[in-house]
Amino acid sequence: DAGVTQSPTHLIKTRGQQVTLRCSPKSGHDTVSWYQQALGQGPQFIFQYYEEEERQRGNFPDRFSGHQFPNYSSELNVNALLLGDSALYLCASSAIQAAGANVLTFGAGSRLTVL
Amino acid sequence: GQQLNQSPQSMFIQEGEDVSMNCTSSSIFNTWLWYKQDPGEGPVLLIALYKAGELTSNGRLTAQFGITRKDSFLNISASIPSDVGIYFCAGHQGAQKLVFGQGTRLTINP
Repeated sequence: DAGVTQSPTHLIKTRGQQVTLRCSPKSGHDTVSWYQQALGQGPQFIFQYYEEEERQRGNFPDRFSGHQFPNYSSELNVNALLLGDSALYLCASSAIQAAGANVLTFGAGSRLTVL
Repeated sequence: GQQLNQSPQSMFIQEGEDVSMNCTSSSIFNTWLWYKQDPGEGPVLLIALYKAGELTSNGRLTAQFGITRKDSFLNISASIPSDVGIYFCAGHQGAQKLVFGQGTRLTINP
């Protein structure tokens, strides 16, 4: 049973470019959350998707957008990249209706470097 | 926004020693979670706490949800080399959003 899978694992972009990161949730999970983890810091919540809609959003600018597809997979898009966007981007999935619904399963992340 | 303060920031111990780390907040949390993150990996859940005062064990790990719902601790007994990593506390405030602490980096000398 595959857990949460993310792609790509590493990528390098330049300032001003756009990036799309992808996430497939764990089998049986219907909710996807995205987190940004800067070096040496804890993960910071970006937003959460359920039923193809954004349910909750953290303190991130509109340059950060997302999408959830009918198969529950998700994309994170970041426009007009800044140097400060360099971080590990983590996707986490959960099942809204299951017992312990607050427990997230994290992927290994996509490490973005902005030059 | 909500802040979780984790301490200590780093620990250097000998193999076999016990470890204790804690997490405090000025806000109330409905659940407390403890995660471990290894290099190049995402956080992995160690223990989840759902009720104030709850004390839960998972092998050599023990964690407690503070009575005030504003703090939690994690203890590791008889540390082994594979315990090395970064430990994060995290809390929920009603919805699915998790707020994380800054992490405690554990280093073990054999």
